Parts: sequence; C-alpha cells; structure tokens
Amino acid sequence: KQEVTQIPAALSVPEGENLVLNCSFTDSAIYNLQWFRQDPGKGLTSLLLIQSSQREQTSGRLNASLDKSSGRSTLYIAASQPGDSATYLCAVRPTKGGYQKVTFGIGTKLQVIP
Amino acid sequence: EAGVAQSPRYKIIEKRQSVAFWCNPISGHATLYWYQQILGQGPKLLIQFQNNGVVDDSQLPKDRFSAERLKGVDSTLKIQPAKLEDSAVYLCASSSLLTSGGASGELFFGEGSRLTVL
Repeated sequence: KQEVTQIPAALSVPEGENLVLNCSFTDSAIYNLQWFRQDPGKGLTSLLLIQSSQREQTSGRLNASLDKSSGRSTLYIAASQPGDSATYLCAVRPTKGGYQKVTFGIGTKLQVIP
Repeated sequence: EAGVAQSPRYKIIEKRQSVAFWCNPISGHATLYWYQQILGQGPKLLIQFQNNGVVDDSQLPKDRFSAERLKGVDSTLKIQPAKLEDSAVYLCASSSLLTSGGASGELFFGEGSRLTVL
C-alpha cells in the first residue's frame, strides 16, 4: 500500500527566503506526482505535475523534482512571499491497480512572515 | 476553459438531517472523484466514477452516503442522515481518462463544499 509522507508538517520563514518542501513515498511504481496548494477552507490548486519519466518541472518561482528510485520529491520555492502562505500537498498516482488510486500526503503548512 | 464547479460552498445542518452536494467536472473529463477532507488531514477518496460507472467506492460509508453521476457528466453526493463526524470539506475533482493516449492523469479540483454538522 502506497504511503506518502510530508516533512515538515509546518514551516515558518521570513519573506525572501528560499525554501524546500519534502514529499516521500514508499512505492516507486508511480504514474505521476502532483503538487498542490490549498488555502484555508478552499479546494486544491494544482501547482506542478511530474510524470514518472520526468526529473523536474518548473513554473515561475516553483521547481519540483522527482527521484523515483529514492521515493522522493521536493518542491523548491524561490524568494518566498507572504502570498505563498498556504498548505502544500503532494499526491502520487500509481501505475498499478485497476483505477490508479491517488494517495495524498497530509501537507506542509507554510507561513511566510513579512 | 471552465474549471470544476461545486455547490453549495457552505452548508450548516443539524445532525440527522440530509444534505446534497453537486459537482460539474471539466468538460470532457471522464473520471470524477469525490473526496472528504477533515481539518488537518489529506483528502480521502470517497468514490471514483469513470463515465457514469463507479470504479471505487471502498471508503464510502454506504449506510449514509450515496453518489450518482447521471449521463456521465455532473454528479451529486448525498449524506442522509448526517453525523457530527461528517463535518468536513467535500472536494470534487476530475481528470481525463487515463487509458486515453498521452493522458497526463492530472487532477483538477473544485473550490470544495464545507459542511458543518451541529
């Protein structure tokens, strides 16, 4: 059974700092890995999607990497801003299984202090 | 392109009452998901549809929850009767059919429906 872990559970940084969020998974047979942002009481906004054949994806100040062999992904946020404050979740879709059920981590709650 | 639409955004009910949530996925997305997210936890899959057929409802409390997806487009999730522990955000998501050539499998979520049971 796939397990997804996100460390740390919470993170507080001063504005302008670069930071890294971690996601680890136990089964490397993945179809893709997706990073989301969630603001309080709202739905999940897709940030980056990495297919199993890819090593990284970039969008603006965000860069996500994937290392299937070690079961890890990182989300790098450059020059953090107060508007980046939110919970960040990663989700893994497996290659196996009839309907490729996605497994979510519980997220890292980020606070960027002005 | 329009995103996943959900309604209502908020609902407050007494325990033992019923409630229904509606979801309209992204046009052309064959797969529709309902997730339950309790505060401080990751989303938990309740039910997954492929077109208008159920492919996974293993974590749906079938004694009180029901869902349907008529005509393979929009979907309704119902809770009857509600319990205090059903207080959560109910998220609808959609994706393109994974067996389609080159399908990314990317999940798109709606804004969610927050349920409070008193």
